[in-house]
Amino acid sequence: GAGVSQTPSNKVTEKGKYVELRCDPISGHTALYWYRQSLGQGPEFLIYFQGTGAADDSGLPNDRFFAVRPEGSVSTLKIQRTERGDSAVYLCASSQGRGTRNTEAFFGQGTRLTVV
Amino acid sequence: QQQVKQSPQSLIVQKGGISIINCAYENTAFDYFPWYQQFPGKGPALLIAIRPDVSEKKEGRFTISFNKSAKQFSLHIMDSQPGDSATYFCATRGNTGKLIFGQGTTLQVKP
Repeated sequence: GAGVSQTPSNKVTEKGKYVELRCDPISGHTALYWYRQSLGQGPEFLIYFQGTGAADDSGLPNDRFFAVRPEGSVSTLKIQRTERGDSAVYLCASSQGRGTRNTEAFFGQGTRLTVV
Repeated sequence: QQQVKQSPQSLIVQKGGISIINCAYENTAFDYFPWYQQFPGKGPALLIAIRPDVSEKKEGRFTISFNKSAKQFSLHIMDSQPGDSATYFCATRGNTGKLIFGQGTTLQVKP
């Protein structure tokens, strides 16, 4: 596809359940980022992949959150034992290469997670 | 986490007016300062960005002014239009490409 694709667009789950959120980055983009956006707030960084490896996971709030990118393309954000406080829009972004020069980040439309 | 402080939280402007949003940052190591526009139900989209070696960048009706010594930068939207009504986020970026966003400004342009 032409842009970053995230599925599902909406997810409602019960407290304590496990969820997986998927991100398909723009083809050829080696950098992939996950952010979390709470209502009325700016996106907050969660994790950054360069290729298959997590280069920076300093934003993951606790060990219930985990993300993978096994083949350097599609990424999955996994949340165990969901809590109501996990409710937010989870955004994925991708960009070409590493470093800062000429590396615009393109965002997907997000997955709205609601924990009830 | 390093903070980026954005103001105002919300802004109402008449059509044709100038919208101004301000941001202040802390870390002088940041080397890229983008502004993102976000419509409801959509992800943020890059609007305009500046690097710290210039003081101003203009693209159409959108201008970024950058004050390195004050660690501040601002977005000016000239001739604001109802279609500009959206939430705007400033951000900073360091050497990993990780973006640190401001809290956002909800802009409403009245016809």
